[in-house]
This record gives sequence, structure tokens and C-alpha cells, in this order.
Amino acid sequence: GAVVSQHPSRVICKSGTSVKIECRSLDFQATTMFWYRQFPKQSLMLMATSNEGSKATYEQGVEKDKFLINHASLTLSTLTVTSAHPEDSSFYICSAREAQGPNNGYTFGSGTRLTVV
Amino acid sequence: RKEVEQDPGPFNVPEGATVAFNCTYSNSASQSFFWYRQDCRKEPKLLMSVYSSGNEDGRFTAQLNRASQYISLLIRDSKLSDSATYLCVVNLGGSYIPTFGRGTSLIVHP
Repeated sequence: GAVVSQHPSRVICKSGTSVKIECRSLDFQATTMFWYRQFPKQSLMLMATSNEGSKATYEQGVEKDKFLINHASLTLSTLTVTSAHPEDSSFYICSAREAQGPNNGYTFGSGTRLTVV
Repeated sequence: RKEVEQDPGPFNVPEGATVAFNCTYSNSASQSFFWYRQDCRKEPKLLMSVYSSGNEDGRFTAQLNRASQYISLLIRDSKLSDSATYLCVVNLGGSYIPTFGRGTSLIVHP
């Protein structure tokens, strides 16, 4: 089945620094990838939709200058958390869908647990 | 009203029990529905898509009720390993973007 590789799986950084998270689709091309954030005991909240070769579409309330998304190829999307603060500490997950069609599910990366100290 | 709503639980059941979860969605034009399973501190994994006519995969049965705008997941003969959070996912309206419910926590005990 489709595999989405995400790394790093865990990162601890100091306040004010930037962290880059990579999401790769293996063995399939993903023109669209989704970035989510999940706080403890809460649902996944969509942050942005990453489109290959064009600008990402951000959800309301998500700062595009803080969460930089780059989708330069059909298999790679990156999320950079700039000037990270402790409140950015969360579980970040990307997802993509290998095939179109209403009953084809989404495959998730293994997630990145970010801790800002 | 939330767009995709689930009872967070937890549902605490003994091994061998049958348990059912419901999930309601707000947009009647929604077309794609899924159940995902998420283990603690892990990424969600697709459990099953939900087809209009309902579908079954082993001990798991998914149903769609368009008139009442909900989907359901039935788990028969619960196993300890079924303990997890079950996420309802809907592509609301004609959107290709999946919207997640908050998840329902299931705890299966010996």
C-alpha cells in the first residue's frame, strides 16, 4: 500500500529557532498533501493544503508566515515552523492520497512530535 | 454544530463484547466517509472506507445513513488490541479535504 514517510519523528528545539519537517510519498506521486496539528486529546486540525508547484492554502487562523510550506516536487512537501514558541509544541502530521476516487483513503506520515523549550 | 461530531467516550467494554460508535456530519452533500484508528501518540491509520450500501471487514461493519447524516462502526467480539481511538473522517460536501471528528476512545478490558 501507499507509504508516506515523515521525519523527524521527534524534535526538541529552543524558543525562537526554526524547525523543518519533511513529508515524502514513497512509490507514488502526491500533487496534494495535507498538514495537520494535533494537541493532546484533541482531534487533528487541518493547518494547510500543500499543492505541488503552487502556494499552499492555509486554514483560517494559521499564520502562513509562521508555518512555511514548500511542495517543490510530486513526492516531497516540507513544513517549517519559524521562530517556534512553546505554544507551537504539538504533534504535526502530514497525509496524502495515492489514488483519486471517493472511497480511497488517506495515508498519514508517522508524525513529528515537536517540543519547544 | 460541529461539522463532524463523535462521542469522545471512553467506551469501556469487556473482551468479546460488541460495541458501536456513531458519527454525525453536517453537510448532506458529503460523499466520502472513512473510519480511522489512532493509537496513542501514533498517526491515524485507515480502518475502512464506508460505502453507501454498508460494508464489512471481518469483525468490523460500517454503515452510512444519509437521511440522518451519520455513519456508524460496529465492532464484534472485541479484542484487547482493539483499544484505540476511532476517528470518523468525512469529505464534507464536494470537498477533497478530509475533516476529522474528535475521535471516540475505546478501552477493551480482560
